[in-house]
Amino acid sequence: DVKVTQSSRYLVKRTGEKVFLECVQDMDHENMFWYRQDPGLGLRLIYFSYDVKMKEKGDIPEGYSVSREKKERFSLILESASTNQTSMYLCASSPLSGGGNQPQHFGDGTRLSIL
Amino acid sequence: AQSVTQLDSQVPVFEEAPVELRCNYSSSVSVYLFWYVQYPNQGLQLLLKYLSGSTLVESINGFEAEFNKSQTSFHLRKPSVHISDTAEYFCAVRKNTGTASKLTFGTGTRLQVTL
Repeated sequence: DVKVTQSSRYLVKRTGEKVFLECVQDMDHENMFWYRQDPGLGLRLIYFSYDVKMKEKGDIPEGYSVSREKKERFSLILESASTNQTSMYLCASSPLSGGGNQPQHFGDGTRLSIL
Repeated sequence: AQSVTQLDSQVPVFEEAPVELRCNYSSSVSVYLFWYVQYPNQGLQLLLKYLSGSTLVESINGFEAEFNKSQTSFHLRKPSVHISDTAEYFCAVRKNTGTASKLTFGTGTRLQVTL
């Protein structure tokens, strides 16, 4: 079974802090994704990566950056956290093979609060 | 670009009653369609998917969805719901381009099953 592990379930940080959210998958998937989930807005894609050291902007990349130094790990970075980044963050992965018909596998999420 | 509309943000239903969660999409190219379920305090899990072939797809826990190309819909149905079906349900679409591409999610429908 695919396992996507997010390092923290709950995180509280202060405005202006640099925040790192970590995600690790154990199935050798090429694609990895970061979403944020807000009530009434569903899931919105922040960044994704289809290979080591490769990254693509999603729909709402402003205020975020990512790092993918190893295939299994995809980090989301909030350069200077702000209160409007309080949200649930979900990481996902999927294999490259089969094109778009492979489902994404999700972690349990990190609920981030910025005070 | 594709988009997904889930018109119902909340659907209350009594146990053992039937339910339909509506999903409509728009896209200029052919798509793959997915339903994901999110139980409280968990990440998303794939419920079912339409890739090609039979327009009626089923999940192992009694849900089914029918792809209707003319109405650009992919509604999710279950003839008799259980308390344990209480969750948030997300419809998602991905372009059928033969290469990995982004998922676009709807805003979600919260199914609340009561006795």
